[in-house]
Amino acid sequence: KQEVTQIPAALSVPEGENLVLNCSFTDSAIYNLQWFRQDPGKGLTSLLLIQSSQREQTSGRLNASLDKSSGRSTLYIAASQPGDSATYLCAVMNSGNTPLVFGKGTRLSVIA
Amino acid sequence: GAVVSQHPSWVICKSGTSVKIECRSLDFQATTMFWYRQFPKQSLMLMATSNEGSKATYEQGVEKDKFLINHASLTLSTLTVTSAHPEDSSFYICSARDGSPAVQGYGYTFGSGTRLTVV
Repeated sequence: KQEVTQIPAALSVPEGENLVLNCSFTDSAIYNLQWFRQDPGKGLTSLLLIQSSQREQTSGRLNASLDKSSGRSTLYIAASQPGDSATYLCAVMNSGNTPLVFGKGTRLSVIA
Repeated sequence: GAVVSQHPSWVICKSGTSVKIECRSLDFQATTMFWYRQFPKQSLMLMATSNEGSKATYEQGVEKDKFLINHASLTLSTLTVTSAHPEDSSFYICSARDGSPAVQGYGYTFGSGTRLTVV
């Protein structure tokens, strides 16, 4: 059974810092991995999707990497801003049309 | 891009009543949709897989008679919480994926969620 772990559970940084969020999964035979952002009481916003054949994806200040063989992914946020404050969720899809398996998330606070 | 619309965004109901939540894929067809539940400061837990034209598949521990799922068309799935109780108060969220060949590789899109409070 696939399990997804995210470290740290919470993180507080001053504005402008670069930071890394970690995600690990137990079964490396994944179809893809997706990073989401969730604001309090809101739904999920997809940030980056990495296919199993890819090593990284970039969007603006965000960069996500995938090391499938070791079961790890990282989300790198450059020059953090207070507006980045949210919970970041990592989720994996095991095969083509299966549901996502989520980690518990990292709650990020960026202090102005 | 793929858009999933979920309604209502929040609902308060009395204990013992039923509540229906709708999930629509607006610009794509979804043969499969997923329903998740999220308790405060917890992650999303899969409740059931909704399949168009057939019965839903429920995760272990989820009562199918309490959480009725209907997926009558390729763009609409509904979740009905029957005889709701305060312990059913939670954040319910649906997701779907545009699996058409033209957009292979797209990830899942989520609705905006429904905050259910049972009093």
